[in-house]
Amino acid sequence: NAGVTQTPKFRILKIGQSMTLQCTQDMNHNYMYWYRQDPGMGLKLIYYSVGAGITDKGEVPNGYNVSRSTTEDFPLRLELAAPSQTSVYFCASSYLRAGQTYTDTQYFGPGTRLTVL
Amino acid sequence: EDQVTQSPEALRLQEGESSSLNCSYTVSGLRGLFWYRQDPGKGPEFLFTLYSAGEEKEKERLKATLTKKESFLHITAPKPEDSATYLCAALYSGGGADGLTFGKGTHLIIQP
Repeated sequence: NAGVTQTPKFRILKIGQSMTLQCTQDMNHNYMYWYRQDPGMGLKLIYYSVGAGITDKGEVPNGYNVSRSTTEDFPLRLELAAPSQTSVYFCASSYLRAGQTYTDTQYFGPGTRLTVL
Repeated sequence: EDQVTQSPEALRLQEGESSSLNCSYTVSGLRGLFWYRQDPGKGPEFLFTLYSAGEEKEKERLKATLTKKESFLHITAPKPEDSATYLCAALYSGGGADGLTFGKGTHLIIQP
């Protein structure tokens, strides 16, 4: 059971380039999330998904896009990279049980460290 | 505005010297208060979830407690391997995102 996996671990982009950060979970969780972590700041929610085909914006969605075609995968797309997107990106997942109004514990992946120059 | 504030920002202790980390929150409709441990270059690792005031949970040298305004992470007789950044996060009913609101963390160093 690998939990939440992310690729790549590190990436350097030039301004204006695009890339996709990959996230996969094998826990059959219905909820998935993308956060970014900047030095000295708390993690901020970018986008989340409550199930395949359903996504919604978090606190800081500008400059990013997501899709969720399967339960396991939740890729994050950067279309036109900017220096402000230099950060560490974490994917997380959790499970909402039938009859519950909020999800269980969120489990995090190891992160992708992205630098935009 | 819903907020989570952690203090101190950094704490240096001698091995065996017990202390507490604080997490205060001003969120409406708290659903859960989470503690995570984060090692350098790694993702947050889940430690505890607390759901209601008065609740306590323990794991080895760590004990988490919750009141209506704050949570404490007590560390008893710490060892160097307890050195890490400890993150506090709140899940609240105010927004539709169901995401966690994180504090900035407490960077804990245990010196041998």
